[in-house]
Amino acid sequence: AQKITQTQPGMFVQEKEAVTLDCTYDTSDQSYGLFWYKQPSSGEMIFLIYQGSYDEQNATEGRYSLNFQKARKSANLVISASQLGDSAMYFCAMREGYNTNAGKSTFGDGTTLTVKP
Amino acid sequence: DVKVTQSSRYLVKRTGEKVFLECVQDMDHENMFWYRQDPGLGLRLIYFSYDVKMKEKGDIPEGYSVSREKKERFSLILESASTNQTSMYLCASSFRIGGLEGYTFGSGTRLTVV
Repeated sequence: AQKITQTQPGMFVQEKEAVTLDCTYDTSDQSYGLFWYKQPSSGEMIFLIYQGSYDEQNATEGRYSLNFQKARKSANLVISASQLGDSAMYFCAMREGYNTNAGKSTFGDGTTLTVKP
Repeated sequence: DVKVTQSSRYLVKRTGEKVFLECVQDMDHENMFWYRQDPGLGLRLIYFSYDVKMKEKGDIPEGYSVSREKKERFSLILESASTNQTSMYLCASSFRIGGLEGYTFGSGTRLTVV
């Protein structure tokens, strides 16, 4: 069964510094994707970045990058130059299967990030 | 800007009431989902739908049903609300990216059953 583990319930970072949020996963599938979502206190979960299992380069999207280490089954989110607005809960998720409706998404329990001024 | 809209942000209902949570998306997405989010339990899938009039059970369908009469609308129904259904409910529709499936979520409905 697929599983996502986020070992950091809460993290603090100083404004303008970089922070890494950890995510490890377990799957027997060869075709899968890792996703990160941000959930501010308002409640809406926002898609940030994704990485496919066959992608050779780490994904980047503005200040977000995904440190994908396939052999270690980890997909850590790196946020550079933290801003106060980055304070939120962050979820790592995995979706098995390319181009199919048959796969399933699994979410981790989330990490609450607090950016200090 | 593409959106998933949930009709209520906060809802208070009485035990035994029939409750309807509405979700509408304007992106012409085929797949829609209902999750509930509880502290310490993460997101759990209740039901999902791949097409109009189609529905599939998720991990925790007991006590819930769904309706998808139109592509853009996916409703979650609590047949007889109970206090253990007090939770945050998130609706999502999915998009394809790189052959994979990502989600666009609504703002959530925080339901309290008293």
